[in-house]
Amino acid sequence: KNQVEQSPQSLIILEGKNCTLQCNYTVSPFSNLRWYKQDTGRGPVSLTIMTFSENTKSNGRYTATLDADTKQSSLHITASQLSDSASYICVVSATGNTPLVFGKGTRLSVIA
Amino acid sequence: DAGITQSPRHKVTETGTPVTLRCHQTENHRYMYWYRQDPGHGLRLIHYSYGVKDTDKGEVSDGYSVSRSKTEDFLLTLESATSSQTSVYFCAIMEDSNQPQHFGDGTRLSIL
Repeated sequence: KNQVEQSPQSLIILEGKNCTLQCNYTVSPFSNLRWYKQDTGRGPVSLTIMTFSENTKSNGRYTATLDADTKQSSLHITASQLSDSASYICVVSATGNTPLVFGKGTRLSVIA
Repeated sequence: DAGITQSPRHKVTETGTPVTLRCHQTENHRYMYWYRQDPGHGLRLIHYSYGVKDTDKGEVSDGYSVSRSKTEDFLLTLESATSSQTSVYFCAIMEDSNQPQHFGDGTRLSIL
């Protein structure tokens, strides 16, 4: 069964610190992996999309990595800000018209 | 922001009544999706469309139907609303499988 597992479920960090969120998947055949940020009360917003051949992709202070061999991805946030408080969702796409597979998200709280 | 509008944004209705939610896009994207989001479950796919009159079921499709008679509109109907369908509903659009999904701001539906 195609699944996406994220860890931790929730995380609290101090402003200015770095953090790393994890994503493991079993989706096959793999097409791409996405990370989304969802602020409370809003729809998710895309941060990165990585295909099989991409190991790392950055979007400002967000850096995503992909290891297609071990089927793992991570999202690293550098120098966190209060505005980074949100849920971060890992999503994996298989080839064809099959729907995307969503993880349940990691809830990040950045505190002063 | 991607041109995607959900209506209504909020709705309260009674058990047993039919409800229709509308998703309208101005991007001419091929793919459209309806998700529901509940605490502890993350985003779950209800139905999706990969073209006009081409739709398919997601993992939680029971009690829901959809229609897409035009590229720009994707309607979600709850045929006879139940309290278990109280949720936040998100519509998303996607140009092709290697592009990000863009989400609407959600519809908060309460069924009493």
